[in-house]
Amino acid sequence: EDKVVQSPLSLVVHEGDTVTLNCSYEVTNFRSLLWYKQEKKAPTFLFMLTSSGIEKKSGRLSSILDKKELFSILNITATQTGDSAVYLCAVVAGGSNYKLTFGKGTLLTVNP
Amino acid sequence: DVKVTQSSRYLVKRTGEKVFLECVQDMDHENMFWYRQDPGLGLRLIYFSYDVKMKEKGDIPEGYSVSREKKERFSLILESASTNQTSMYLCASSLTLGPYNEQFFGPGTRLTVL
Repeated sequence: EDKVVQSPLSLVVHEGDTVTLNCSYEVTNFRSLLWYKQEKKAPTFLFMLTSSGIEKKSGRLSSILDKKELFSILNITATQTGDSAVYLCAVVAGGSNYKLTFGKGTLLTVNP
Repeated sequence: DVKVTQSSRYLVKRTGEKVFLECVQDMDHENMFWYRQDPGLGLRLIYFSYDVKMKEKGDIPEGYSVSREKKERFSLILESASTNQTSMYLCASSLTLGPYNEQFFGPGTRLTVL
């Protein structure tokens, strides 16, 4: 059974801090890994990673994949209160091309 | 921008009622998905559809059925709602399957079954 584990489950920081969110996976025939941000509504797409060692970057957010050690990290620098959300990691793997297996998410709270 | 809309943001139903949750996407995507999201369990796939009138079971299809009569619309049906189906239901769509399976989500329907 495919498994995606995110850590920590929750995190509280102050504005301006840098945070690192972790996503590890145990899957058969890894295809890609996706990060989503979910506020009080629809998850919104952040990054898709398919190759090891290539950093994806968007503003203060960046992410990288390590296919040897089977994990990905999502970094957020200079956090703002608007970064408060649940961050979801999902993996496409195996023969089920349609299926995203999601982790349980990391709840990030950024205090002013 | 892809837009995925769901018919209701909040819904309250009674045990035994038949419940319809509707999802519409406006980007001509082939694939549509229904998930439920529960605290401590994350998102779990209920059903998905890869074409009109085509469907496949996800991880937790029991107690649910789906209908896709038109490409843009995917309905989730609870034939006889039960309290353990109280949850947040999320619809998603994607253009392709495979590794580049970027799914776009709707705002969710929070269903309470009394």
